[in-house]
Amino acid sequence: SQQGEEDPQALSIQEGENATMNCSYKTSINNLQWYRQNSGRGLVHLILIRSNEREKHSGRLRVTLDTSKKSSSLLITASRAADTASYFCATVLNDYKLSFGAGTTVTVRA
Amino acid sequence: KAGVTQTPRYLIKTRGQQVTLSCSPISGHRSVSWYQQTPGQGLQFLFEYFSETQRNKGNFPGRFSGRQFSNSRSEMNVSTLELGDSALYLCASSLDPGGRTQYFGPGTRLLVL
Repeated sequence: SQQGEEDPQALSIQEGENATMNCSYKTSINNLQWYRQNSGRGLVHLILIRSNEREKHSGRLRVTLDTSKKSSSLLITASRAADTASYFCATVLNDYKLSFGAGTTVTVRA
Repeated sequence: KAGVTQTPRYLIKTRGQQVTLSCSPISGHRSVSWYQQTPGQGLQFLFEYFSETQRNKGNFPGRFSGRQFSNSRSEMNVSTLELGDSALYLCASSLDPGGRTQYFGPGTRLLVL
């Protein structure tokens, strides 16, 4: 069974708008990672946030982590057509196995 | 540095056959993990190897096996293929185990007929 669950399943936004997706998980984690996948290709790592961190930024990406609610969010600001992809959260438990959620499919319209 | 490479990229097999997929990690990376991605089940962890030893294993039947060589290259094998094994098989490497960032290859798309 999957540890992380993303919400929403799909998101369609206009270029220039912000996109927010959420990830909820069930058990305590070591860290949480976000990945992007373009159309059935390999995944690309975006951000890793440790369990003792609350927020991290990388370019137009902002990730938050709330361990009390067992949830994380990924915000993409000023979206571009190239941001069209599926986004996955992956929780890393203390045995260091990565468990991926089902993903959020983001479509950015020109 | 060259990225993670996987061969072959596409494969068509029939039920009952076996298949071997190969993964070459990024130079210097010693940990290799394998994942199966299907539309129905999503991304599922198969196993992780480090220093030629399997460190972690997901919930897959014994038909799925793997190994890692001394140069960190890894292979996974699926015996007695079933239709449900049709999937994108992804390999990822990291410097070492410990929940670090994983670098994924492009995947091998397997179709079982």
